[in-house]
Amino acid sequence: AQKITQTQPGMFVQEKEAVTLDCTYDTSDPSYGLFWYKQPSSGEMIFLIYQGSYDQQNATEGRYSLNFQKARKSANLVISASQLGDSAMYFCAMRERITQGGSEKLVFGKGTKLTVNP
Amino acid sequence: DTAVSQTPKYLVTQMGNDKSIKCEQNLGHDTMYWYKQDSKKFLKIMFSYNNKELIINETVPNRFSPKSPDKAHLNLHINSLELGDSAVYFCASGGGAKGAKNIQYFGAGTRLSVL
Repeated sequence: AQKITQTQPGMFVQEKEAVTLDCTYDTSDPSYGLFWYKQPSSGEMIFLIYQGSYDQQNATEGRYSLNFQKARKSANLVISASQLGDSAMYFCAMRERITQGGSEKLVFGKGTKLTVNP
Repeated sequence: DTAVSQTPKYLVTQMGNDKSIKCEQNLGHDTMYWYKQDSKKFLKIMFSYNNKELIINETVPNRFSPKSPDKAHLNLHINSLELGDSAVYFCASGGGAKGAKNIQYFGAGTRLSVL
């Protein structure tokens, strides 16, 4: 079963507008972390924002904010005032515990390709 | 200063060859990882090392052997390369501390093409 679901293969947004990229997750672990990464066409993976399962407030980092709805198991990324440089693949990921010793790995969604139009 | 650096960025080789990808992190993290991104952009973990000890091996063929000489380095050696090994390989580094955010920071990736 897919643990991270990103239902939007591609999204388009006009420059300076806001856009929401969807992410839902599935876990029975009460302690988990959710991440968003950006992968521009140059290929590197850039960390954007983190939300912990016990965090009371939604995470924000500059123009990025995470709309965390725990009951719905969703962690949507909101990008405000889109810029041309925001055009990229965006991946949602969940930190998953592997062993009792605390080993962890990231499980990724399939990604959403965002295109910002001038 | 690059936090997680991996070399080479591009690797083109013939089937059957053996190749290595190097990774180094200067973040002081305990845990390092190798991920594989396939042609459909799907990222999946391959290995995880914590303080030079193998923690995760996600059913990766024996032809892939990670080596960690110290906690700042995690190299990936691939024997007898096959066409299906063509992908982008990412090294990552994370704090590894229990209860911390443990954000994983990625290298720039190595694009491996097997001909």
